[in-house]
Amino acid sequence: NAGVTQTPKFQVLKTGQSMTLQCAQDMNHEYMSWYRQDPGMGLRLIHYSVGAGITDQGEVPNGYNVSRSTTEDFPLRLLSAAPSQTSVYFCASSRGAPPGYTDTQYFGPGTRLTVL
Amino acid sequence: DAKTTQPPSMDCAEGRAANLPCNHSTISGNEYVYWYRQIHSQGPQYIIHGLKNNETNEMASLIITEDRKSSTLILPHATLRDTAVYYCIVGPSSGSARQLTFGSGTQLTVLP
Repeated sequence: NAGVTQTPKFQVLKTGQSMTLQCAQDMNHEYMSWYRQDPGMGLRLIHYSVGAGITDQGEVPNGYNVSRSTTEDFPLRLLSAAPSQTSVYFCASSRGAPPGYTDTQYFGPGTRLTVL
Repeated sequence: DAKTTQPPSMDCAEGRAANLPCNHSTISGNEYVYWYRQIHSQGPQYIIHGLKNNETNEMASLIITEDRKSSTLILPHATLRDTAVYYCIVGPSSGSARQLTFGSGTQLTVLP
């Protein structure tokens, strides 16, 4: 298994440009999430999905859109890039568990985005 | 979700045990304690989790106090490759780890 893959690894955008960060997992996980990590800080949840066709907002959703048309893919779209969105973006997936149980998240290698 | 408090940094000599503390005094009865780590520039990596009993796996041991208000992650024989930021997280009670809230963590530096 490749696990969680992310593309691209690095990206530079100009203010106002749009782009899509790709995330894919081959573990048949139900749950997928997007986080951003700013320098010296922990991860903050942007959006997450509990299954194909279902998405919800996390802690910092503004300026980002997501969709989940398949179990494997969970792309993150920046609608109009701003310098405040300069960050490292991590995608994660987890199997999901019934109430009373728990599972763990598997993270991708990250996409380093700079917005000028 | 309950908040956690960790020291910002710790050092440990190579080959010695690294003991990383975490305070989670507002944890509720059905919330789990998770530990993840992040080696420089990489995605976070799961280490271990527990509810109220001590847990051990091939990577580490987790000691949770009886009142569950604090815990300690133990790396029994730290190596240079264990240098990383370690996150203590109290997870949701719904059963899935998908909405974990990561704080600032503890920067562990293993010294040769």
